[in-house]
Amino acid sequence: GAVVSQHPSRVICKSGTSVKIECRSLDFQATTMFWYRQFPKQSLMLMATSNEGSKATYEQGVEKDKFLINHASLTLSTLTVTSAHPEDSSFYICSARGLGQAPYEQYFGPGTRLTVT
Amino acid sequence: AQTVTQSQPEMSVQEAETVTLSCTYDTSESDYYLFWYKQPPSRQMILVIRQEAYKQQNATENRFSVNFQKAAKSFSLKISDSQLGDAAMYFCAYRSGRHSNYQLIWGAGTKLIIKP
Repeated sequence: GAVVSQHPSRVICKSGTSVKIECRSLDFQATTMFWYRQFPKQSLMLMATSNEGSKATYEQGVEKDKFLINHASLTLSTLTVTSAHPEDSSFYICSARGLGQAPYEQYFGPGTRLTVT
Repeated sequence: AQTVTQSQPEMSVQEAETVTLSCTYDTSESDYYLFWYKQPPSRQMILVIRQEAYKQQNATENRFSVNFQKAAKSFSLKISDSQLGDAAMYFCAYRSGRHSNYQLIWGAGTKLIIKP
């Protein structure tokens, strides 16, 4: 199956700083990528959908200026958490699908644990 | 809007026995996909099984099978011969069949505990 990687797997940053999380499709071209946030013992919450070369579509309640998503190439999408605060601490997961894949196919990255101190 | 409901926050089963996880959904669409995902302690999401709504036959993957009741909008997962490695969070998810919409709608999840 197709592989999606995320980097870093875990990151600790200080309050007020920005942190970037990368999501890469390793063996396919990802035309669409999804970013999720997951709090402990909860389900996945979709934050935004990004299509390569287009601006991301954010879900209601997600601050666009705080969670910057860039999908500039067919293999890379980045999520930048700007001016991070402790309440941004969470597990962030990306998923991706590519051109030509079956409509039900979507591949998940291993996730990034963000801790803001 | 579509919704997915998992009414069992936690289930436990004795190793080697069978367990069924429940999922119901609400939609006005006729074309859609349903999924069961497993999230072990590593938190990597793993696709367990998939069902296309247009297929009447229930999907099966080795020890995992579903009971898809389209009219009742029910999609339960049966795990046979439970193994310790099956312990995880299980999420039911829905995806519209419309080509322009690939978003997954997620249930709240069921924590499955396997008793040795």
